[in-house]
Amino acid sequence: DAGITQSPRYKITETGRQVTLMCHQTWSHSYMFWYRQDLGHGLRLIYYSAAADITDKGEVPDGYVVSRSKTENFPLTLESATRSQTSVYFCASSTQGYEQYFGPGTRLTVT
Amino acid sequence: AQKVTQAQTEISVVEKEDVTLDCVYETRDTTYYLFWYKQPPSGELVFLIRRNSFDEQNEISGRYSWNFQKSTSSFNFTITASQVVDSAVYFCALSEALSGANNLFFGTGTRLTVIP
Repeated sequence: DAGITQSPRYKITETGRQVTLMCHQTWSHSYMFWYRQDLGHGLRLIYYSAAADITDKGEVPDGYVVSRSKTENFPLTLESATRSQTSVYFCASSTQGYEQYFGPGTRLTVT
Repeated sequence: AQKVTQAQTEISVVEKEDVTLDCVYETRDTTYYLFWYKQPPSGELVFLIRRNSFDEQNEISGRYSWNFQKSTSSFNFTITASQVVDSAVYFCALSEALSGANNLFFGTGTRLTVIP
């Protein structure tokens, strides 16, 4: 019973490189979310998805791309990483209108 | 616009003391949901409670209790007889029915330290 997993858990990359963060859930939740957590900002929504092939922007989408070809997976791609994207990234899933369950997070450092 | 304010950035208490974490929210929606999450030092986010705007009944779960007051737009969280394991960052969050009740807007969190 894995629930929701994220990989990698830690990543160091250089400015300008593309990096993809993976998220997988086993609950068959329709909704999936990506947040970033930065000191002083709490968690901010980057993108979310209501179902496979349906995605929408959140509060801070610039510089990120998402896709959702399968219900259980929701990868987040930084197409050209910048230092301002150094953060802890959390994936979450839920059924509509209910509490979200979070993955363990990915700590990304862009040098 | 929706907003969640957790004015207490950090709180320290001695073990066995009671502590209340404040949460004030703003929304124009009449149907909304309020949440509390706990983030222990290990970093994961743990769901604690969800409350909808039509249910102002206070809730108690063991040493945890929540006081929801629409009149003051507050959803405060009290830990009774605090323990060292309660040390964590606690986040209050809001979602609105108008946005599909899916997007969570988080406060900036309150870091609670329980001193043994």
